[in-house]
Amino acid sequence: AQSVTQLGSHVSVSEGALVLLRCNYSSSVPPYLFWYVQYPNQGLQLLLKYTSAATLVKGINGFEAEFKKSETSFHLTKPSAHMSDAAEYFCAVSDRYNFNKFYFGSGTKLNVKP
Amino acid sequence: DAEITQSPRHKITETGRQVTLACHQTWNHNNMFWYRQDLGHGLRLIHYSYGVQDTNKGEVSDGYSVSRSNTEDLPLTLESAASSQTSVYFCASSDFGSSYEQYFGPGTRLTVT
Repeated sequence: AQSVTQLGSHVSVSEGALVLLRCNYSSSVPPYLFWYVQYPNQGLQLLLKYTSAATLVKGINGFEAEFKKSETSFHLTKPSAHMSDAAEYFCAVSDRYNFNKFYFGSGTKLNVKP
Repeated sequence: DAEITQSPRHKITETGRQVTLACHQTWNHNNMFWYRQDLGHGLRLIHYSYGVQDTNKGEVSDGYSVSRSNTEDLPLTLESAASSQTSVYFCASSDFGSSYEQYFGPGTRLTVT
């Protein structure tokens, strides 16, 4: 089975600062990769996805992520944090043989300070 | 607009009782999934289905069952609720194809006392 590691269960940044949320996965075969965002008391919403096209993927709300095969990483970034970015973020990777089946990281809660 | 709905949104039940959580999607997706979300664990897959009459166990399936009699619904049953099953449950759906992205419902918060 795949595993997904998100470093840092809580990340705090100031408004306007760079956001960097880390995700590493275990696989020798590049799978499909996703970042989801969860606002309080809501379901998960897709931010962006990597599906073996460009390694730099742009998503909604100014977020982007870069797929680095050599580092088995898919870190999420945003140049300038906004208060509305405060939420929990989940990295997910598809199973290497069954792309419809996902494995999720444990999540990173982003706090944005004014 | 297409959507996934879950009911109830909140449920309190007693240990040993049978509980069924409903999931209904109007995306006409073939694939449906049930996850549980617990602090420090992210989302863990309970059961999934790739079509009518198809069901598969996920990584935390003990104590849960599902059945798929139509495309739109995948109810999750806790046969005999246990306190360890107190959690937030999410249903998701996706379709076969190049994107594989899953669409999530709003969740059901279940408390077993």
